[in-house]
Amino acid sequence: NAGVTQTPKFQVLKTGQSMTLQCAQDMNHEYMSWYRQDPGMGLRLIHYSVGAGITDQGEVPNGYNVSRSTTEDFPLRLLSAAPSQTSVYFCASSVSPTPGNTIYFGEGSWLTVV
Amino acid sequence: GQNIDQPTEMTATEGAIVQINCTYQTSGFNGLFWYQQHAGEAPTFLSYNVLDGLEEKGRFSSFLSRSKGYSYLLLKELQMKDSASYLCAVKQGNTPLVFGKGTRLSVIA
Repeated sequence: NAGVTQTPKFQVLKTGQSMTLQCAQDMNHEYMSWYRQDPGMGLRLIHYSVGAGITDQGEVPNGYNVSRSTTEDFPLRLLSAAPSQTSVYFCASSVSPTPGNTIYFGEGSWLTVV
Repeated sequence: GQNIDQPTEMTATEGAIVQINCTYQTSGFNGLFWYQQHAGEAPTFLSYNVLDGLEEKGRFSSFLSRSKGYSYLLLKELQMKDSASYLCAVKQGNTPLVFGKGTRLSVIA
């Protein structure tokens, strides 16, 4: 039972480079989201999706793109990396947005932009 | 919008009881969650409250008062492994969870 799988776990980028953080879940969850976590800031929502083909912005969407072509996958793209995007990124999923459904987190991706 | 406040740090003694408070301001309140996060790891689900009152689950309990915009997480019989960050998160409607900044709990011998 893989749950929510994120890759890569660690990545160092140069300013201006682009990359994609991958997120896949095997629980047939409709609801997926991306958060970033910075020291002293808690988890902040970047983008989320309530189902294949549907995405929406969260609190801090600038500099990131997402797509949801399948139920299983929800990649996060950094268009032109900046040092301010150095952070830990967590992908999360749940059966539906209905309150009470447990939200499962991936193990996190540590990104450093130099 | 939502405003979620919780203490930044707390220290407690092994075997003791500790209460971590969380206050929030939100419209369309649809539940409050508590997560535990050890350093370098992902958050893991602890509890969910949507109605007023106390939810007990083993050594952990969570309380909610919707009229006061207040919740607490109670940890009993503290163990060293309980040293972690505890995240309060609020659900507004069917939008994703909004998290507080977390409370870092240190359990000392």
